[in-house]
Amino acid sequence: QSVLTQPPSASETPGQRVTISCSGSNSNIGSNYVHWYQHLPGTAPKVLIYRNNQRPSGVPDRFSASKSGTSASLAISGLRSEDEADYYCAAWDDSLSGPVFGGGTKLTVL
Amino acid sequence: QVQLQESGPGLVKPAETLSLTCTVSGYSMTRGYYWGWIRQPPGKGLEWIGNIYHDGSTDYNPSLKSRVTMSVDTSKNQFSLKLTSVTAADTADYYCARDTGPSSGLGVDVWGKGTTVIVSS
Repeated sequence: QSVLTQPPSASETPGQRVTISCSGSNSNIGSNYVHWYQHLPGTAPKVLIYRNNQRPSGVPDRFSASKSGTSASLAISGLRSEDEADYYCAAWDDSLSGPVFGGGTKLTVL
Repeated sequence: QVQLQESGPGLVKPAETLSLTCTVSGYSMTRGYYWGWIRQPPGKGLEWIGNIYHDGSTDYNPSLKSRVTMSVDTSKNQFSLKLTSVTAADTADYYCARDTGPSSGLGVDVWGKGTTVIVSS
């Protein structure tokens, strides 16, 4: 049981837009930054979004994110086949003094 | 460019101790930040194991705290994980990572490629 709650799966057709939700609590999302990671099997997770809505250089602007209260969401527009991956949200948790993660959302591009 | 590389046995027997080391390059651990271990069991999500600071102070996930010990060797720019009394439930991909902490806004910003550890007799 992950600390942050994400839907286990999402799917959409190429060119469309998909959103992935992430729900937490006051001790994590409610009081700290949210980050998003893209993870492909056998590779290191890649930072997709940091500080709630900031994209590292090299991440396309098709990826965007927002945070409100104890929830956050990641949006991917203009879906492409290479976007098929697992997506994780994360935030620092003040109670644990460490990061907590969502259970991951497996994105399928139909 | 900061890089992290995990090393250690890929197979551990039940009830024994899992030991992994992470070598950091491109950044001196003494400059700061937390250094941590995160794992992903097969078919499951990411789970934080614990963090260590360059001065040796640690924070562990309460669910694993009784079995986890982390240590740091700043002379080698390495940090290590020991997980005792392992069971099949500890089979996972183990990642070492740099955690910039709550204030920077950068989160866990650098990850190793991960190493698979299987617990089996």
